[in-house]
Amino acid sequence: GGIITQTPKFLIGQEGQKLTLKCQQNFNHDTMYWYRQDSGKGLRLIYYSITENDLQKGDLSEGYDASREKKSSFSLTVTSAQKNEMAVFLCASSMGTGGANSDYTFGSGTRLLVI
Amino acid sequence: QQKVQQSPESLIVPEGGMASLNCTSSDRNVDYFWWYRQHSGKSPKMLMSIFSNGEKEEGRFTVHLNKASLHTSLHIRDSQPSDSALYLCAASIWTNYNVLYFGSGTKLTVEP
Repeated sequence: GGIITQTPKFLIGQEGQKLTLKCQQNFNHDTMYWYRQDSGKGLRLIYYSITENDLQKGDLSEGYDASREKKSSFSLTVTSAQKNEMAVFLCASSMGTGGANSDYTFGSGTRLLVI
Repeated sequence: QQKVQQSPESLIVPEGGMASLNCTSSDRNVDYFWWYRQHSGKSPKMLMSIFSNGEKEEGRFTVHLNKASLHTSLHIRDSQPSDSALYLCAASIWTNYNVLYFGSGTKLTVEP
């Protein structure tokens, strides 16, 4: 079985700081995603990528950059952290071929706190 | 506008009771639905999926789908405290099959 790993698990940043979150998967999945989840709420799509070097914006892309230099990895950058921001960032991957193969496998999340 | 709507926002059922969760899409391009379960502090895990009209049962969990109304429901019988979690409904849209659209979730609490 494969695994999807997010680093770091916890991230404390300062207001205005640029922060980078990393995600690696060994499922050989084509498509990878970054979602933001605020406490007890649903998932909002920030960026996704259907293949190496591809980037697609989600509804929440403002304030974020992403990079997919290898098929197995997808990184997300918070370009300027907002004071008192607190959220969980979830990385996911899928085969992305549609239909029954569209389900996601999620990483364990990066918990961000900005002070 | 969110493509997937879930109700209720939160639900409390007694141990051994039946929990019923609803999910609807407003987008006629939806083709498949998924249900994910997320325990507190954990990542979401796929629970069940349904692609055709009708019903699908796996143990204590039953999912219904009405494609005409784009409504799906998840029913948990003999609910256990370990079923307490956030339940997320997701849908795929054939015009962009790479992305699942998630609802805002139903927080289920099963009281002993």
